[in-house]
Amino acid sequence: RKEVEQDPGPFNVPEGATVAFNCTYSNSASQSFFWYRQDCRKEPKLLMSVYSSGNEDGRFTAQLNRASQYISLLIRDSKLSDSATYLCVVNDGSARQLTFGSGTQLTVLP
Amino acid sequence: NAGVMQNPRHLVRRRGQEARLRCSPMKGHSHVYWYRQLPEEGLKFMVYLQKENIIDESGMPKERFSAEFPKEGPSILRIQQVVRGDSAAYFCASSPVEGNNEKLFFGSGTQLSVL
Repeated sequence: RKEVEQDPGPFNVPEGATVAFNCTYSNSASQSFFWYRQDCRKEPKLLMSVYSSGNEDGRFTAQLNRASQYISLLIRDSKLSDSATYLCVVNDGSARQLTFGSGTQLTVLP
Repeated sequence: NAGVMQNPRHLVRRRGQEARLRCSPMKGHSHVYWYRQLPEEGLKFMVYLQKENIIDESGMPKERFSAEFPKEGPSILRIQQVVRGDSAAYFCASSPVEGNNEKLFFGSGTQLSVL
């Protein structure tokens, strides 16, 4: 089992649609959780951190369920510019490296 | 303030040659991470360095790969006797604070192609 697993995608959605990505992690000791965005094999960029209470940043909402070891990202009112690969990222707190999921590709269609 | 600088952007090597990838962290950052991304896969941690010290190399292959971060100059990831399976994107990231992974800043990466 992979340490961080994501929906395989790809997701092709029309502009304005709401889309949700899911992610599960295997290490119950994981401490920190993030969503990164990666465009066309460029460098990953931090989209948002994920907190137990859930957090929102504009059209983006992240949720964490520690009991189920599950993380989600919701994008509302999708824009063409949201087209990218979304990476679920976990840090177990004791190590100094991040563990990346394989990513979910999103294409927003006009 | 320049971001994390990696060079070269693209590197082509023939099997058996050496590849040297360079990374200059953001100004003021003394912690460097190297990640590798194979096609259609996520980023895999390779090594974490501070100036003149390798802190964690648990993700580095045991042979042919080495990394350094000297007191002066960029961090270097060195791959000896490259093979086709080494073809990947290599990303460097830097951080101002030890263990503060929320503040990782990535470079644009080096795309290594082994012929």
